[in-house]
Amino acid sequence: GQQVQQSPASLVLQEGENAELQCNFSSTATRLQWFYQRPGGSLVSLLYNPSGTKHTGRLTSTTVTKERRSSLHISSSQTTDSGTYFCAMVDNSAGNKLTFGIGTRVLVRP
Amino acid sequence: DMKVTQMPRYLIKRMGENVLLECGQDMSHETMYWYRQDPGLGLQLIYISYDVDSNSEGDIPKGYRVSRKKREHFSLILDSAKTNQTSVYFCASSLGWANYAEQFFGPGTRLTVL
Repeated sequence: GQQVQQSPASLVLQEGENAELQCNFSSTATRLQWFYQRPGGSLVSLLYNPSGTKHTGRLTSTTVTKERRSSLHISSSQTTDSGTYFCAMVDNSAGNKLTFGIGTRVLVRP
Repeated sequence: DMKVTQMPRYLIKRMGENVLLECGQDMSHETMYWYRQDPGLGLQLIYISYDVDSNSEGDIPKGYRVSRKKREHFSLILDSAKTNQTSVYFCASSLGWANYAEQFFGPGTRLTVL
């Protein structure tokens, strides 16, 4: 079965609204990494979050490893936040292999 | 400025032709990776390289091979490309493969096989 599941599949926000993206992963994960991708662009690492809560700018990631879940909170969304957000689990037992979810597409309208 | 580079950025080939995708990194990272990204499937791991001449298959290695002769360079080779290998290919690197080993990605190569 799918090892990394993301929800929702897509999200439409009005600029200024907050959003929460969810990621559930299998028990073999040792770490979580959140990525952002603009359409046609490369992957940008947002947060590398083994466990607990981490912040960067308007982004907050909370990972509860025992419950095999992570969330990415976007506060005060801006149109430039539009793109796809990927959650990827790291399995160190498989040579630091990253297994990606299929992403959450976010559209922030002005 | 830490960087992963990929060449070429765009490539169009005919079915049956050979394809060479190049990746470079300037961070002296030991571990490098090749992924492909297809719509609705996210990214899938093709190969991992732990160091020079130390390569392992990922989840979808069939139809691909890799070469790592220098730590800073990692090549992906498609011998006799197929139309289903049309995709966007990403290279990544990390300092190691255990403990803290955040992966850094290149800009991608968009390959079209006609």
